[in-house]
Amino acid sequence: AQKVTQAQTEISVVEKEDVTLDCVYETRDTTYYLFWYKQPPSGELVFLIRRNSFDEQNEISGRYSWNFQKSTSSFNFTITASQVVDSAVYFCALSGGYGGATNKLIFGTGTLLAVQP
Amino acid sequence: KAGVTQTPRYLIKTRGQQVTLSCSPISGHRSVSWYQQTPGQGLQFLFEYFSETQRNKGNFPGRFSGRQFSNSRSEMNVSTLELGDSALYLCASSRGQDETQYFGPGTRLLVL
Repeated sequence: AQKVTQAQTEISVVEKEDVTLDCVYETRDTTYYLFWYKQPPSGELVFLIRRNSFDEQNEISGRYSWNFQKSTSSFNFTITASQVVDSAVYFCALSGGYGGATNKLIFGTGTLLAVQP
Repeated sequence: KAGVTQTPRYLIKTRGQQVTLSCSPISGHRSVSWYQQTPGQGLQFLFEYFSETQRNKGNFPGRFSGRQFSNSRSEMNVSTLELGDSALYLCASSRGQDETQYFGPGTRLLVL
């Protein structure tokens, strides 16, 4: 069975601090996809990044960076120099392993990030 | 390009009633998925439609149903509403298989 674990329920930081959100996943499939979504108070899930299981290259996009390690089944997300606008719930998600037969996403429980001014 | 739109945004119903929620995907997207979000259960997959066919269904009772039209717009219906159906219902669209899903703003349903 597929599963996504986000052990950090809430994180509170002061503006300009760096923060890392952890994500551990479980799957028996060799082809799968990992995602990070951001959910601000408005409720809409905003897509941040997508990685497939064959691409372990880490990525940096502005203040955001992602560390994908298949050896530890982890897909962590780091915000550098956090800002108040980064305050939101962040979800890690997993899909794939169905032979392309569905786009079903399995979500973690989310991490609430509060950035204090 | 316009994003995923959902109507209505807010809804209040009473137990026993039924409700229909609508989702218009991003232009060119053929896959539409529905998710339920509650404080207790988190984000859970309801079902996915692709080219008017249901491809997968989550673990929800038969009171939850959906359909997709030829223009890829989708509706979901919940019959005989229960208090526990109060939730944020999110719709997502993607171009096809194994593609990124983009979410709409959601419909907040309150069942009294």
